[in-house]
Amino acid sequence: DGGITQSPKYLFRKEGQNVTLSCEQNLNHDAMYWYRQDPGQGLRLIYYSQIVNDFQKGDIAEGYSVSREKKESFPLTVTSAQKNPTAFYLCASSIRNQGSYEQYFGPGTRLTVT
Amino acid sequence: EDQVTQSPEALRLQEGESSSLNCSYTVSGLRGLFWYRQDPGKGPEFLFTLYSAGEEKEKERLKATLTKKESFLHITAPKPEDSATYLCAVRGGSEKLVFGKGMKLTVNP
Repeated sequence: DGGITQSPKYLFRKEGQNVTLSCEQNLNHDAMYWYRQDPGQGLRLIYYSQIVNDFQKGDIAEGYSVSREKKESFPLTVTSAQKNPTAFYLCASSIRNQGSYEQYFGPGTRLTVT
Repeated sequence: EDQVTQSPEALRLQEGESSSLNCSYTVSGLRGLFWYRQDPGKGPEFLFTLYSAGEEKEKERLKATLTKKESFLHITAPKPEDSATYLCAVRGGSEKLVFGKGMKLTVNP
């Protein structure tokens, strides 16, 4: 089955530790995205990548880093510099054809930092 | 700056009671308005894309419409399984989607 997988579903870390969230897709999509979702707020874009070996900062990139070494994978690292990392993290992907901009989401990773 | 406002923030309906959700937007050069459904603790599920004013799309009990300033998600004779948070997003001239805060729908049996 084609889709987007994120692992793990729940993640717990101590303050001051870096943590990497996994995102893999087998949809053959070119573009991939990372969002953060907090209660009462809309989805906020952290980073996005339109092609392999290239990525751009979104609206809230501070304290996060990404890599895009393979088309299928777009891992997100939450660093110790992120001041409020506890949140629900969503990965998405989309085709970059003209007229087709739908983004499809993975199941999410809930990160708790104490 | 592209903006999306969804109203109401929350809505409670009785089973079978039809209603509409509103998504107002401002965007420079609309390249798509998107509706998603999100269940608690899960990722958003894509529902519809609308590209131009006057366009309508339907899926089961849901119908999405688009004008130059807003979109409506009409829910006809809802069932308890339609309970979820509905998200609206727009795409303007960039690769990025701008999302509203969502609207939590509860349908009581």
